[in-house]
Amino acid sequence: AQSVAQPEDQVNVAEGNPLTVKCTYSVSGNPYLFWYVQYPNRGLQFLLKYITGDNLVKGSYGFEAEFNKSQTSFHLKKPSALVSDSALYFCAPWDTGFQKLVFGTGTRLLVSP
Amino acid sequence: EAGVAQSPRYKIIEKRQSVAFWCNPISGHATLYWYQQILGQGPKLLIQFQNNGVVDDSQLPKDRFSAERLKGVDSTLKIQPAKLEDSAVYLCASRKGSGGGNEQFFGPGTRLTVL
Repeated sequence: AQSVAQPEDQVNVAEGNPLTVKCTYSVSGNPYLFWYVQYPNRGLQFLLKYITGDNLVKGSYGFEAEFNKSQTSFHLKKPSALVSDSALYFCAPWDTGFQKLVFGTGTRLLVSP
Repeated sequence: EAGVAQSPRYKIIEKRQSVAFWCNPISGHATLYWYQQILGQGPKLLIQFQNNGVVDDSQLPKDRFSAERLKGVDSTLKIQPAKLEDSAVYLCASRKGSGGGNEQFFGPGTRLTVL
């Protein structure tokens, strides 16, 4: 079974600065990897995914993620953070054995003005 | 394209009462999921439907939880009787097909408080 680790419970960044939210995973086979964002009192919104191809994946709202197979990482990045990016972020690998997404506890991003 | 609809958005009940949640997935999405998200945790899969058949209900507490998806479209999740530990947000999600590469689309969730 696959697992996911988001080592930081919270990431603080000033508006306009670059941000990184870290994710590592364990996988059997080729990974399918997803990032979702959850705003307060909302469901999860899909940001981006890695299936195959380029290691740098671009997604919604200016976010991108870099797949690194040797480090089994899929870090989420954005060149310039906005206060409105403040939310809870989930990295979720697809468990090919159990055919389901695996969610960790997420990382809370706080962007200060 | 309309998103995943859920109702009610909020529900407060006493323990031992019953409650039901409704989900309408995105049109054409064959796969439907119910998740439970306890405060401070990530979503936990309760049950997965492919059309109107159950694919995975291994994490569903079947002594009190039940779910159905009639006609392969709408779905309901029921809890009877509710316990305090059932307080959580219940999320419904849907997606096309069953392969791993398709993203899931989530509804806004139903926040359940059991007193």
